[in-house]
Amino acid sequence: EAQVTQNPRYLITVTGKKLTVTCSQNMNHEYMSWYRQDPGLGLRQIYYSMNVEVTDKGDVPEGYKVSRKEKRNFPLILESPSPNQTSLYFCASSSDRGEGNSPLHFGNGTRLTVT
Amino acid sequence: GNSVTQMEGPVTLSEEAFLTINCTYTATGYPSLFWYVQYPGEGLQLLLKATKADDKGSNKGFEATYRKETTSFHLEKGSVQVSDSAVYFCALATRKLVFGQGTRLTINP
Repeated sequence: EAQVTQNPRYLITVTGKKLTVTCSQNMNHEYMSWYRQDPGLGLRQIYYSMNVEVTDKGDVPEGYKVSRKEKRNFPLILESPSPNQTSLYFCASSSDRGEGNSPLHFGNGTRLTVT
Repeated sequence: GNSVTQMEGPVTLSEEAFLTINCTYTATGYPSLFWYVQYPGEGLQLLLKATKADDKGSNKGFEATYRKETTSFHLEKGSVQVSDSAVYFCALATRKLVFGQGTRLTINP
């Protein structure tokens, strides 16, 4: 089954403790992206990757890092989480950035709470 | 820059009611337009799309028409069901996707 898998689904952590949210897709998509979803703000793009070893900042990249060493994986790293990064995070993939004939495929989300 | 504005939620309707969720956009160039739906506990999934003016996207009884003259892409359904309860996102794409803020829809039996 074609899918985007994120882990964990729920994460509670404390300020400053490094964490990684994993994302993996099995559709051989070149494009992958991370979003955060906050009430009243919709989805905002954090980082995206057009292919292996190619990553770029989205609209709200501060406080986040990503890597794309393999085509299927695109982990999101918070080196020193802060409470304002408490949010619902989604990973997504597509064969063409979701803007043409191929839609974005989303994972089921990771709800992160930073205390 | 490009932006999408959706009607404020939440929206609560009774089963079999007519649904309209308004969406207007600002964009340079000729964007493609999308509606994504997010069911409880899940990620977003594409509901329908339209890639040029006057195109109508449709799926699962939902429809939306790309209106260039009014820069709108309103989502409609003639008779909603409880299973349509979800958050709906309007989005546009030129070189990247830009999402609206989402509209939460609740359908009561």
